[in-house]
Amino acid sequence: DTAVSQTPKYLVTQMGNDKSIKCEQNLGHDTMYWYKQDSKKFLKIMFSYNNKELIINETVPNRFSPKSPDKAHLNLHINSLELGDSAVYFCASSRSRDFQETQYFGPGTRLLVL
Amino acid sequence: RKEVEQDPGPFNVPEGATVAFNCTYSNSASQSFFWYRQDCRKEPKLLMSVYSSGNEDGRFTAQLNRASQYISLLIRDSKLSDSATYLCVVNTPSGAGSYQLTFGKGTKLSVIP
Repeated sequence: DTAVSQTPKYLVTQMGNDKSIKCEQNLGHDTMYWYKQDSKKFLKIMFSYNNKELIINETVPNRFSPKSPDKAHLNLHINSLELGDSAVYFCASSRSRDFQETQYFGPGTRLLVL
Repeated sequence: RKEVEQDPGPFNVPEGATVAFNCTYSNSASQSFFWYRQDCRKEPKLLMSVYSSGNEDGRFTAQLNRASQYISLLIRDSKLSDSATYLCVVNTPSGAGSYQLTFGKGTKLSVIP
């Protein structure tokens, strides 16, 4: 069984469109995250939710809006897509927000904005 | 200074070789430390946590020097399957009881037959 799953795996879209990426974890974890890995392979935190509550909100454009309907799901909606949004987006989860907890990553969503 | 710095490599080593990766971090408030492994076009996966006393897991040994803010990973008897990018990861307080992982850019290892 997949622990952290993301859909879609690949997303190709035009500039200006609005798109969503979904993430689900079946590990019973309390904390979920969104990361962006750009073309230089640099992985950077975007958001973190703990029990549906936003706890980390890094400096990302407000075109990006995370939504956590329950603690097993953390979706990412992106408005008015730009070329620079092209990247791999990874969802992750951990048992809690404690600093020692391991984070488990989903397989990634490869977004290409044309 | 970047928050987590690693030599990007690539390190090209023959099978059976010993290889060492180094990493430095800038935030002295960092609380925990990890090595993750990322295969090409895959997600990062935890390789091992790094403890102050140093720790070993089979062919892998991790060391931490808090005074120098330095982390290392040693791989002995390299296997072809060790080929991957190794990410140095530091967990730093981000306020209000939260922590966030800060990733280095990774060191690419290629083990050659």
